[in-house]
Amino acid sequence: QKEVEQNSGPLSVPEGAIASLNCTYSDRGSQSFFWYRQYSGKSPELIMSIYSNGDQEDGRFTAQLNKASQYVSLLIRDSQPSDSATYLCAVSLYGGSQGNLIFGKGTKLSVKP
Amino acid sequence: KAGVTQTPRYLIKTRGQQVTLSCSPISGHRSVSWYQQTPGQGLQFLFEYFSETQRNKGNFPGRFSGRQFSNSRSEMNVSTLELGDSALYLCASSLNLGPRPDTQYFGPGTRLTVL
Repeated sequence: QKEVEQNSGPLSVPEGAIASLNCTYSDRGSQSFFWYRQYSGKSPELIMSIYSNGDQEDGRFTAQLNKASQYVSLLIRDSQPSDSATYLCAVSLYGGSQGNLIFGKGTKLSVKP
Repeated sequence: KAGVTQTPRYLIKTRGQQVTLSCSPISGHRSVSWYQQTPGQGLQFLFEYFSETQRNKGNFPGRFSGRQFSNSRSEMNVSTLELGDSALYLCASSLNLGPRPDTQYFGPGTRLTVL
C-alpha cells in the first residue's frame, strides 16, 4: 500500500513566523512531489512542485526534498493569516505526466494575527 | 483562460440510485483525473483518462466508472449509490505534453450527498 503521511495538526504559528510542514512517503520509486493548499470549502490549488533532491524556492514558499529519507517539507516564511488552510502533500510514482497522485490527509495550518 | 469546470456543483441522491458527474478540462488539456475527497480518507485517486482511454485506475469498486470524450470532457458515473459514497468529487486536468512532470489543476468539485 503506497502511503503519504502528514501530521494532521492543527499547526498554529503567529503571524510573521516560519511555518514548517512535513510529509513522508512510502514508495521509493516516487518521482514527483507536490504541495497543494486547500481552503475550507474550496478545491486544492498547487503551491509548489519539486522533482529532485534539495530546495526549491518560490516567493515565501520553499519546498525541500530528501529522497534518501523519503521526506518532503514545505516552509512558509513570514506567515500570514491568509495562509491559514489545509496543506496537502501529493506524490506521483511517475516522472512523466500521468495524473495519478497519492495524497496525504493534509496538515491544517492556523496563522494567528 | 477558463479553469476546470464541474457540473453539477451539488447533488442529493438516495441509496441505490446512480449518478453522473461532468468535468470540462482547461482548454488544451488532454488528461482528466478524478478524485474522491472525504473527511476520513482524504483525497483518493479514482481514475485518469487520456485521449479517451483510461490510463490509470485507483482502488475503487466497479460501481465507479468514467469516460472521456473526443473534446477531452469527462464524465464519471457511480451506480447503486451507497451512503459511503457521500463525498466531494474533484476533477483535475493537465496538459500532458510528454515525459516531463505535469501540473494538475483542480475544478471546484461536485458535492454528492447520498441519503
